[in-house]
Amino acid sequence: GDSVTQMEGPVTLSEEAFLTINCTYTATGYPSLFWYVQYPGEGLQLLLKATKADDKGSNKGFEATYRKETTSFHLEKGSVQVSDSAVYFCALSFGGATNKLIFGTGTLLAVQP
Amino acid sequence: KAGVTQTPRYLIKTRGQQVTLSCSPISGHRSVSWYQQTPGQGLQFLFEYFSETQRNKGNFPGRFSGRQFSNSRSEMNVSTLELGDSALYLCASSLVGRGQDEAFFGQGTRLTVV
Repeated sequence: GDSVTQMEGPVTLSEEAFLTINCTYTATGYPSLFWYVQYPGEGLQLLLKATKADDKGSNKGFEATYRKETTSFHLEKGSVQVSDSAVYFCALSFGGATNKLIFGTGTLLAVQP
Repeated sequence: KAGVTQTPRYLIKTRGQQVTLSCSPISGHRSVSWYQQTPGQGLQFLFEYFSETQRNKGNFPGRFSGRQFSNSRSEMNVSTLELGDSALYLCASSLVGRGQDEAFFGQGTRLTVV
């Protein structure tokens, strides 16, 4: 079945370090891909998305490129801040008349000053 | 513009009881989805409603049910609660619920079953 695999956390980085969180997917067809972020005590917020192959989503310094050949959507940021500490979820959804999201397990990011 | 509102924020129930959770979507949004979040299973899709009709259902037992009203507000009900139902229940709304649309999440209802 359709699924999303994320790298295990937690990921601990110093401020201004480079961030990569790996995400790969298994899906029949051509899904849309998302990164959502969850701050402590809150619901999820969309960070970025890409709806077709080779699209690059970007927001707040984060980027991810939809790679169909490697079925990947890795999240990157050049210089993390303490305020980026949160849980990051990779997810997929199919087009058409459904908004159902299939999530990865989430990756906890802790950024130290 | 008000976000997605879930009530109550916290609930404690006893095994065997039933519970109803409420979700008010963003004004104008017609699609509402529900998710269960637990440390062991992560985020799992429960069901999705659009214009008062269930459009999609996840792999949960029949004790889990939901509905959507004409104003797009949604409720989910869990009957005969089990300890394993303890979780954060998240509601998400989107404009018309297409696959590429952004889903806006509420803060969730934390259910504890004792």
